[in-house]
Amino acid sequence: DVKVTQSSRYLVKRTGEKVFLECVQDMDHENMFWYRQDPGLGLRLIYFSYDVKMKEKGDIPEGYSVSREKKERFSLILESASTNQTSMYLCASSNPPGQKNIQYFGAGTRLSVL
Amino acid sequence: AQKVTQAQTEISVVEKEDVTLDCVYETRDTTYYLFWYKQPPSGELVFLIRRNSFDEQNEISGRYSWNFQKSTSSFNFTITASQVVDSAVYFCALSENNYGQNFVFGPGTRLSVLP
Repeated sequence: DVKVTQSSRYLVKRTGEKVFLECVQDMDHENMFWYRQDPGLGLRLIYFSYDVKMKEKGDIPEGYSVSREKKERFSLILESASTNQTSMYLCASSNPPGQKNIQYFGAGTRLSVL
Repeated sequence: AQKVTQAQTEISVVEKEDVTLDCVYETRDTTYYLFWYKQPPSGELVFLIRRNSFDEQNEISGRYSWNFQKSTSSFNFTITASQVVDSAVYFCALSENNYGQNFVFGPGTRLSVLP
């Protein structure tokens, strides 16, 4: 079974703190993604990576950065957390379209910024 | 631009009823992929089905069935004889034929199955 693991289920941080969300996948997938999920807005793509050290902005990258130093690990960084970044964050991994292109998701991290 | 619409925000049914979740998509590509995911209260999105644009055959998996119609750009999902465990948010998604970055999700439909 594909396993995507997010390091925390719940996080509470203060405004202005630097926040790291970690995601690890065990299926040697090339692509990894970070989404945020908000009521009524569905899932919105923040960043994705198609290879080690490669990254592309998604629909809402402002206020976020990412790091992919190893194939299995993709980190989302909030440089200076703000209250409008309170949300559910979902990590996913997949192989390219020619190889099924199914995204597999972690359990999510619910972040509260106070 | 791609877009996925799930017009039903919330649906409530009584156990054993059949229910259909609607999904309408927009894309300019001729090659694309459609997906359904289930998000139970635990939060993790669970993959249900993937369908490519060249395969219009309907699919059945147990109590689940999917109706793909290119003519109406729809990919609807039916649960037969619903159960309480089917209560979840269901997302329809669209991906075009590239590295998968254009993976667009609909807003989701919250299904409540009452005992």
